[in-house]
Amino acid sequence: AQSVTQLGSHVSVSEGALVLLRCNYSSSVPPYLFWYVQYPNQGLQLLLKYTSAATLVKGINGFEAEFKKSETSFHLTKPSAHMSDAAEYFCAVTLSGGSNYKLTFGKGTLLTVNP
Amino acid sequence: DVKVTQSSRYLVKRTGEKVFLECVQDMDHENMFWYRQDPGLGLRLIYFSYDVKMKEKGDIPEGYSVSREKKERFSLILESASTNQTSMYLCASSLIGARNQPQHFGDGTRLSIL
Repeated sequence: AQSVTQLGSHVSVSEGALVLLRCNYSSSVPPYLFWYVQYPNQGLQLLLKYTSAATLVKGINGFEAEFKKSETSFHLTKPSAHMSDAAEYFCAVTLSGGSNYKLTFGKGTLLTVNP
Repeated sequence: DVKVTQSSRYLVKRTGEKVFLECVQDMDHENMFWYRQDPGLGLRLIYFSYDVKMKEKGDIPEGYSVSREKKERFSLILESASTNQTSMYLCASSLIGARNQPQHFGDGTRLSIL
């Protein structure tokens, strides 16, 4: 079965510092991977997705993620944090084969940005 | 632009009531999903539907049912609400046969059962 682990339920950074949010997946077949962001009192918004075309994926708001098959990881990074990046971030995986259209989500990482 | 609309942002109901949560999408998507979101647990899938009148159970279907009479509308029903169903409920939709396509989410309904 597919699964996603997000290391760190809460990450705190200073404005201007590097943001690194960790995601590891478990899948026996090539996965499709997604990062979503949720601002307070809103639904989830897609940040970026990996679909096997390129291992380094660029998303919105300056975020990017790198797919590393050997490490089964898909960590999210941003070179310089902004106050507006404060939100909860979810990593999700779906399988590339079979009839399963479902996304499996990690438990989320709450990002706090300090002035 | 893509739009998933949930009928209520906040809802307060009483134990034992039958509760309906409505979701409408305007993207002609075949797949629709209902999740609940709880602190520390992330998103958990309740039910999903891949076509009109078709549904499949997700990971936590107990105490819930769904209805999809029209392609654009997917309803979640709490047959007899209980306090442990107090949660944030999120609806999503996506294209069928396109597993690399993302799900699009509504803004959520925060449901309180008293």
